[in-house]
Amino acid sequence: DAGVIQSPRHEVTEMGQEVTLRCKPISGHNSLFWYRQTMMRGLELLIYFNNNVPIDDSGMPEDRFSAKMPNASFSTLKIQPSEPRDSAVYFCASKVEGASGYTFGSGTRLTVV
Amino acid sequence: KQEVTQIPAALSVPEGENLVLNCSFTDSAIYNLQWFRQDPGKGLTSLLLIQSSQREQTSGRLNASLDKSSGRSTLYIAASQPGDSATYLCAVQNAGNMLTFGGGTRLMVKP
Repeated sequence: DAGVIQSPRHEVTEMGQEVTLRCKPISGHNSLFWYRQTMMRGLELLIYFNNNVPIDDSGMPEDRFSAKMPNASFSTLKIQPSEPRDSAVYFCASKVEGASGYTFGSGTRLTVV
Repeated sequence: KQEVTQIPAALSVPEGENLVLNCSFTDSAIYNLQWFRQDPGKGLTSLLLIQSSQREQTSGRLNASLDKSSGRSTLYIAASQPGDSATYLCAVQNAGNMLTFGGGTRLMVKP
C-alpha cells in the first residue's frame, strides 16, 4: 500500500489566492482527518470525515477554509482567500473507524507570502 | 476537553543511553494511545499503538506503557542511537474518533 498520499508537497502562493490541498487515503480506511501543524500551536485537528461525511469541523479556523470528500478515495482542503497566517504544514490522515491507529501522509508545506 | 502533555519538551543524551519519554492526559476515557516519530520537515511515522485494554507494546528497542487510570504513558528507548534523533509525539484517541496530540519531545542523541 502506498500509504496516505498528499499533494502538493510544497505550495507557495500569494496572499489572496485560492489554495487547494489534496489527499488520497489508504484504501479501506473510512475515516479521514485534516490536521494543521505550526510551531506555535502544534498539531490541530481541522476537520474529519467518516464514510465521506463531515463529522466535526469545529477546528476549521474560519469560513475561508472548506473541505470536501466527494468519494472514499479523495479529499480536498481549500483556503480562499489565503492569508500569511495560514502558512503551516497541513497533514491528512486516515484510519479504519474505531480503535485502530492513524496513518499520516507526508504533509503539504504551505507558504503564503 | 482532552489535554495531552509531554515532558520533557527537549532532551539531549549521549549515544547508548536508555531513556524515557513521558506523556500525560487529563481524560482517562480513551480508546487508545499512539506514539509517533517526526523527523524535521517530514510527516508522522507511527511507532506503537496501545489499546485501552493493554498495558504495554514493544517494537524492537521501543517499549510503550499505558496506565489509563493515572492518565500516563511512557516511551522507553533502549540503547539510543543518533538515528533516534527526532521529535516524538504522543496522541490519545477518545470517543468520536478524534486524536489529541501532545506538544512533543525533541530528542537529540549525540554520537
